[in-house]
Amino acid sequence: AQSVSQHNHHVILSEAASLELGCNYSYGGTVNLFWYVQYPGQHLQLLLKYFSGDPLVKGIKGFEAEFIKSKFSFNLRKPSVQWSDTAEYFCAVTPGGYNKLIFGAGTRLAVHP
Amino acid sequence: DTAVSQTPKYLVTQMGNDKSIKCEQNLGHDTMYWYKQDSKKFLKIMFSYNNKELIINETVPNRFSPKSPDKAHLNLHINSLELGDSAVYFCASSQEWGRGEETQYFGPGTRLLVL
Repeated sequence: AQSVSQHNHHVILSEAASLELGCNYSYGGTVNLFWYVQYPGQHLQLLLKYFSGDPLVKGIKGFEAEFIKSKFSFNLRKPSVQWSDTAEYFCAVTPGGYNKLIFGAGTRLAVHP
Repeated sequence: DTAVSQTPKYLVTQMGNDKSIKCEQNLGHDTMYWYKQDSKKFLKIMFSYNNKELIINETVPNRFSPKSPDKAHLNLHINSLELGDSAVYFCASSQEWGRGEETQYFGPGTRLLVL
């Protein structure tokens, strides 16, 4: 069965630190990859997505993610986090051209000023 | 001007009751979804409708019945509520069913607590 693994369940950083959140998926065919963010008290919103082309994808608020097909990975990065980045981050895939999002368990990021 | 809205925001009820959650999107999208987020924040798809037709029905107890009266609405009715149904239920929509590339837009969630 398809699955998505997020290695870090809880990450604590100071402002200006660099961020990398891991995401791996298990599916051998074509996938589309997403990162969604849920700020405290708010609904899920899209940070970025990859479906073809340049494997380095840039999203909103300075986030980027790199698709490495050989590693089945789609890690999220930000060079310098801010307190306002405190949120829950979800990696997700839609495998095989099927518009069904399969989510990872999420990573809770806390950024201290 | 909320894109995807859900009512109610909070729902507290007793075991055995029947309840409904409503979802509306004003984005003109063809496809709508219901997701369940459990206490560990794990999100799992339950149902999807495209142009009012059911296209995804995950292994969800048949106490859960979605209904789509039109493309802009997807309601979720739950019969005989159980403690394990306590969760946050998210509605979402996307432009079309497509090839899996479409961004899904989520509602604010309905927090259901079954006592």
